[in-house]
Amino acid sequence: DTGVSQDPRHKITKRGQNVTFRCDPISEHNRLYWYRQTLGQGPEFLTYFQNEAQLEKSRLLSDRFSAERPKGSFSTLEIQRTEQGDSAMYLCASSWLMDGGAGMNTEAFFGQGTRLTVV
Amino acid sequence: GQNIDQPTEMTATEGAIVQINCTYQTSGFNGLFWYQQHAGEAPTFLSYNVLDGLEEKGRFSSFLSRSKGYSYLLLKELQMKDSASYLCAVGSGSARQLTFGSGTQLTVLP
Repeated sequence: DTGVSQDPRHKITKRGQNVTFRCDPISEHNRLYWYRQTLGQGPEFLTYFQNEAQLEKSRLLSDRFSAERPKGSFSTLEIQRTEQGDSAMYLCASSWLMDGGAGMNTEAFFGQGTRLTVV
Repeated sequence: GQNIDQPTEMTATEGAIVQINCTYQTSGFNGLFWYQQHAGEAPTFLSYNVLDGLEEKGRFSSFLSRSKGYSYLLLKELQMKDSASYLCAVGSGSARQLTFGSGTQLTVLP
């Protein structure tokens, strides 16, 4: 397994355009997370999937953001009507939880991220 | 709310030992994580503490005191390649999502 992969690595778009990012998690991982990271800050949680179900969304995830994980494998994050404030690194991470809720944390493995620049 | 504090920058000399502190106040706690992040790269997992005490992993050790809301990452025998941002993160919630500090930028000097 090659780890978490994200595509594209870089995206430059004009304000108002829609963009979509893809994340392929580690294949046996049932949990998938999206985070956003701006320069000089730590990653901020956006949303979480357990298998194909989107179970949690941060208040940072405005109506212009939507995420899917249709078959419990890869995930997409779409941003509609992009704004300059959306410029950031979008990170995907995956992890494994055996019992679906009560188990201890296992480490999340991060992808290389998609760097979005809105001009 | 969630609040995680760590120093913004630290500098140390190659071969030395450095301790990076982290204090946290979070609602819910599933564990304390340390990640390393080189510029432009993904965060990579270094250590995880869920119980009080010290976890040692080669040149890296991490300590946790849950009652004090305090952790530290200890790096021994520093190498130039250890120059990076070190992120303290607390796992919480049913999603086990991570809340990160802003990171400590460590510069290792020759």
